[in-house]
Amino acid sequence: DAGVIQSPRHEVTEMGQEVTLRCKPISGHDYLFWYRQTMMRGLELLIYFNNNVPIDDSGMPEDRFSAKMPNASFSTLKIQPSEPRDSAVYFCASSLTATEAFFGQGTRLTVV
Amino acid sequence: KQEVTQIPAALSVPEGENLVLNCSFTDSAIYNLQWFRQDPGKGLTSLLLIQSSQREQTSGRLNASLDKSSGRSTLYIAASQPGDSATYLCAAHGSRLTFGEGTQLTVNP
Repeated sequence: DAGVIQSPRHEVTEMGQEVTLRCKPISGHDYLFWYRQTMMRGLELLIYFNNNVPIDDSGMPEDRFSAKMPNASFSTLKIQPSEPRDSAVYFCASSLTATEAFFGQGTRLTVV
Repeated sequence: KQEVTQIPAALSVPEGENLVLNCSFTDSAIYNLQWFRQDPGKGLTSLLLIQSSQREQTSGRLNASLDKSSGRSTLYIAASQPGDSATYLCAAHGSRLTFGEGTQLTVNP
């Protein structure tokens, strides 16, 4: 397995535009997590899914953020409209139940 | 709510030195504790995972210990090398995965 795959690796967009980040988890993993990393706040859990169902989205900062997992092999994190303060590295991770979490390489988002 | 703290925030050592990174967590009801490495501009690489029933795990020059009752974990790096320079994060797996803020390690040649 190629591991957790995120795309794009880098995204630069203008304020107000819609941004969609994509993640392909490791095949067979039940859990999928979206994290945001900033210098000020470190790594923050935004939302996680279990068997494609959102379990805890309390970390999603605002209604501008939404995440979906239409099937076991794909998830998206969408920001609409984007703002400069959304600039961060966004990580996706997957895991089997209560075992080791595997992270993607992240998407570096810059909103100008 | 689980809180994970890492000390020190930054550490600079000469090559060859043995060092210890500390991680503490407030809620001992965890499934496991995981140590990661992050290189600048890159993703997280898992180093060691310690199950809640275990006390330590070893991989090469790395040794991680876990004391659930006191809410502490340490990552021991033996004979440090410049290539070990990175940020090291610990994460506690409870109802969610909670990260510390990391220790930025610099190993000087």
